[in-house]
Amino acid sequence: QSVLTQPPSISGAPGQRVTIPCTGISSNIGAGYDVHWYQQLPGTAPKLLIYGNNNRPSGVPDRFSGSKSGTSASLAITGLQAEDEADYYCQSYDSSLSSVVFGGGTKLTVL
Amino acid sequence: QVQLVQSGAEVKEPGSSVKVSCKASGGTFSSNGISWVRQAPGQGLQWMGGIIPMFGAANHAQVLQGRVTITADESTATVYMEIISLRYEDTAVYYCARDRNFDVLTGWANWFDPWGQGTLVTVSS
Repeated sequence: QSVLTQPPSISGAPGQRVTIPCTGISSNIGAGYDVHWYQQLPGTAPKLLIYGNNNRPSGVPDRFSGSKSGTSASLAITGLQAEDEADYYCQSYDSSLSSVVFGGGTKLTVL
Repeated sequence: QVQLVQSGAEVKEPGSSVKVSCKASGGTFSSNGISWVRQAPGQGLQWMGGIIPMFGAANHAQVLQGRVTITADESTATVYMEIISLRYEDTAVYYCARDRNFDVLTGWANWFDPWGQGTLVTVSS
């Protein structure tokens, strides 16, 4: 069981907007630690998508955005495309565990 | 740009040990943190620990109950991750990843970028 909670799956039609929530508690996201997001295409290593809650690395389309509030964070994808079909993971730090923690991952299906 | 290249797939018997390597090229190595993250088949990501090569000290995740050791060789820009007393549930793809601001004392890490290509370790009798 992952420390950060994500829905196992979500889906959306091409062109639509979807959001992926990442829920934590007072010792991780709620303590002010940053949240980062990764995209993992089948059979490949995770790729950094959003860092520091809402920053996009060079090369990541502005269709992807992140936000954080209280004990939760979310990843938003607008203008869904077939190539966005992948697993998405959130990451933060937990001071009670003294450990980097990940969400369980969300599989995005583009209908 | 830093690139991380990992060693090849391994098949090991239960109770044995495995050592996976991660070689950095193309950028600063010693002062950055390198962490290991594993992913069991069909499962999510699990942080195993990290190291800053220039300091030599590592921080290992408690969940692995002292079975993992992370080391670094600055002369070859390579980080190693060894697991002893392998169990069937250690079957996973193991990734190394760079973090610019890893704190060895607390295990705090910022974001991971880039990642190695992954090494499949299969524990089977």
